[in-house]
Amino acid sequence: GQQLNQSPQSMFIQEGEDVSMNCTSSSIFNTWLWYKQDPGEGPVLLIALYKAGELTSNGRLTAQFGITRKDSFLNISASIPSDVGIYFCAGNTGTASKLTFGTGTRLQVTL
Amino acid sequence: DTAVSQTPKYLVTQMGNDKSIKCEQNLGHDTMYWYKQDSKKFLKIMFSYNNKELIINETVPNRFSPKSPDKAHLNLHINSLELGDSAVYFCASTQMTTNTEAFFGQGTRLTVV
Repeated sequence: GQQLNQSPQSMFIQEGEDVSMNCTSSSIFNTWLWYKQDPGEGPVLLIALYKAGELTSNGRLTAQFGITRKDSFLNISASIPSDVGIYFCAGNTGTASKLTFGTGTRLQVTL
Repeated sequence: DTAVSQTPKYLVTQMGNDKSIKCEQNLGHDTMYWYKQDSKKFLKIMFSYNNKELIINETVPNRFSPKSPDKAHLNLHINSLELGDSAVYFCASTQMTTNTEAFFGQGTRLTVV
């Protein structure tokens, strides 16, 4: 079945630093989504991408839909303590609304 | 106002028991889902319902039976609970079947002892 691999698996950064993470797939996806999950909560949608090459921002977050349609990237600029959490990519092939989730990137921010 | 709400948030039960988790969404969405998150935080879809009709069933054991009395509610009933069923179960909804922007509930942490 489809698999989405995220890297890095975890990151420890200092407040103020920029963060980059990516997600790769063995299959082509029509939609890429990025979610953040805080402890004890459900995933919250950050950014949705619908076209190959698309670059979309949401505040300090910027995500890109890779031109091969097999990858996506998420950047966080000037990280703050509340950025701590697990970031998931998710993809959809378009045949149904089923999302395939990535393995997650756990982000820790130190002061 | 909570968009997607699940009850209970925590559920501890013995092996062999039957239990239910309830989900309600007030977003007016047509499609609802159940996802399972394991101890390694991997999220996987279990079921999807569109306007009370089952559209996705991801080879989940038939001990798991979703029920949708109306398009705003999707409940999950689990029979004969096993230790391996311990996980966090998330309900989610999207506006339509073809829409992928899913809104998730807070999750139900199920522990089978």
